[in-house]
Amino acid sequence: DAGVIQSPRHEVTEMGQEVTLRCKPISGHNSLFWYRQTMMRGLELLIYFNNNVPIDDSGMPEDRFSAKMPNASFSTLKIQPSEPRDSAVYFCASSLGLAVLEQYFGPGTRLTVT
Amino acid sequence: AQSVTQLDSQVPVFEEAPVELRCNYSSSVSVYLFWYVQYPNQGLQLLLKYLSGSTLVKGINGFEAEFNKSQTSFHLRKPSVHISDTAEYFCAVSDRNPSNNDMRFGAGTRLTVKP
Repeated sequence: DAGVIQSPRHEVTEMGQEVTLRCKPISGHNSLFWYRQTMMRGLELLIYFNNNVPIDDSGMPEDRFSAKMPNASFSTLKIQPSEPRDSAVYFCASSLGLAVLEQYFGPGTRLTVT
Repeated sequence: AQSVTQLDSQVPVFEEAPVELRCNYSSSVSVYLFWYVQYPNQGLQLLLKYLSGSTLVKGINGFEAEFNKSQTSFHLRKPSVHISDTAEYFCAVSDRNPSNNDMRFGAGTRLTVKP
């Protein structure tokens, strides 16, 4: 299995632009998580899906952030408009089953907003 | 809701020395506990997990952790570290509610192994 796939690996954009991060979970996993990692705040859970349905988005920082999971093999995290404080590494993770026993993380997308 | 406190943000240690990375959790319900490792420029990787049964859990790369319910701790140990163990280590907790997929991570401990 290829593991969790994220794209792009690096993204540099100007403030005000729209950014879309993509994730392909491990085949057969039915839970998907988006995290943000910064030096100041550590690893933060933004949102998670179960069977393509958003379960908890309380970690999404603002209305500028949105996430979708149109099918079991694809999810997006969109920031519009982007701001310099959104600069971080964004991780996607997937797991099998309703109860979290282990999450498999992707390599992350390093986002820089100038 | 549960939470995790990693008591040391940085732990420097010499090669072949033992190491302990401390983790305490807070929860009003029974929990699952995890340790993840993050190597530079990579995603997190599971080291070990406690689900039930024996309180001493063995993981990959020679690491082990002990669940102590009375002290609400889950400290990570290795008797002899290698240079390659230099990484960031995260303790995590999730509750046992099967309808809850929420996992909370600690702030991380940066382990630096010196030659």
